[in-house]
Amino acid sequence: DAGITQSPRYKITETGRQVTLMCHQTWSHSYMFWYRQDLGHGLRLIYYSAAADITDKGEVPDGYVVSRSKTENFPLTLESATRSQTSVYFCASRFGFDTEAFFGQGTRLTVV
Amino acid sequence: DQQVKQNSPSLSVQEGRISILNCDYTNSMFDYFLWYKKYPAEGPTFLISISSIKDKNEDGRFTVFLNKSAKHLSLHIVPSQPGDSAVYFCAAIGSGYALNFGKGTSLLVTP
Repeated sequence: DAGITQSPRYKITETGRQVTLMCHQTWSHSYMFWYRQDLGHGLRLIYYSAAADITDKGEVPDGYVVSRSKTENFPLTLESATRSQTSVYFCASRFGFDTEAFFGQGTRLTVV
Repeated sequence: DQQVKQNSPSLSVQEGRISILNCDYTNSMFDYFLWYKKYPAEGPTFLISISSIKDKNEDGRFTVFLNKSAKHLSLHIVPSQPGDSAVYFCAAIGSGYALNFGKGTSLLVTP
């Protein structure tokens, strides 16, 4: 299927566990992003990437790790999950400057 | 510090009337602005955008106005429909390539 897909859609994990959220896009967009959405905070940028092997920290990067070995994939890893990382995570991609970003359906992560 | 601000968390409008959603920004380097619409349990979807070289962009029932001197933009929806009920996010892009989002405004259109 064309587009941007995230997996899993829902995940429950325990505090201290490592968990990886997957993001895959089929457009070969250069730019990819991870956001988290929390009540009262809107969408906050976690990490972003301009191309394969190029990543940058966003507003709230602590506790997260990303990699981008292939243009189409941009996984987000929580190295040791904490309850404060309970959130809805959105992956997005865009082609270039002055273009819109396309978002995945989101992953609802609960850390217990 | 939030660079894109949506100061109204919620807005209620009657069907058929105009909905006006507002957004302010602080970074003068922002030169491209977007509005996204989000339904529960779905990802945000792109609605309309405007470049800083313009002051208005229209797409059907949706119009975005940009006032650069005031660092303010607004989204007008005319006429509003119940299906427009959603959370609307304002976003801005500057010298970087990431979208900077506001906290969103929840719009409720009542019949």
